[in-house]
Amino acid sequence: EVQLVQSGAEVKKPGESLKISCKGSGYSFTSYWIGWVRQMPGKGLEWMGIIYPGDSDTRYSPSFQGQVTISADKSISTAYLQWSSLKASDTAMYYCARLGSEEQLDYWGQGTLVTVSS
Amino acid sequence: DIQMTQSPSSLSASVGDRVTITCRASQGISNYLAWFQQKPGKAPKSLIYAASSLQSGVPSKFSGSGSGTDFTLTISSLQPEDFATYYCQQYNSYPHTFGQGTKVEIK
Repeated sequence: EVQLVQSGAEVKKPGESLKISCKGSGYSFTSYWIGWVRQMPGKGLEWMGIIYPGDSDTRYSPSFQGQVTISADKSISTAYLQWSSLKASDTAMYYCARLGSEEQLDYWGQGTLVTVSS
Repeated sequence: DIQMTQSPSSLSASVGDRVTITCRASQGISNYLAWFQQKPGKAPKSLIYAASSLQSGVPSKFSGSGSGTDFTLTISSLQPEDFATYYCQQYNSYPHTFGQGTKVEIK
């Protein structure tokens, strides 16, 4: 069974750094792209970027390029989303999802809620 | 970026109704179109990919159609568990943009 399990909720202050994770199981982690999607409170879904864990090839949305870093450690089947300096506007739910064989998002993680507040 | 526009933004329907949601792309995307369902407090669920292919385990009351710039999601007979927000997404070119969502509410 394909599963993506994300790390737990985080409460941070503006300016702090953060790295959240997404661990894949039940499939060949290095053979499928993993994507990250943001959902701000009460809003819709926003595509942030994707990574291919096999070679760490990464694509970012222009809206998020330079704002976050997507990485992966294939040895532990885990993808990451990180910020070097959080802002209050980064408060959101963040989902990871696998891209299937036709590049569609097929399996989703449960989400990680990030709250940034002074 | 390709803009995805869904209509309507919300709708009220009754159990048993046939419901259609439309998604329009700002430029042609072939059939690289997916649909997702999201219930409050839950992660999105994948319903349809390649415009008309059902994701494994998704009931056949959901169907999708379209190609190029215009697409539809149809729910043949709305059930209580189908009240949710639905999103389309293009994956023809980066970034893989989403529509703004259509909230399906109980009449």
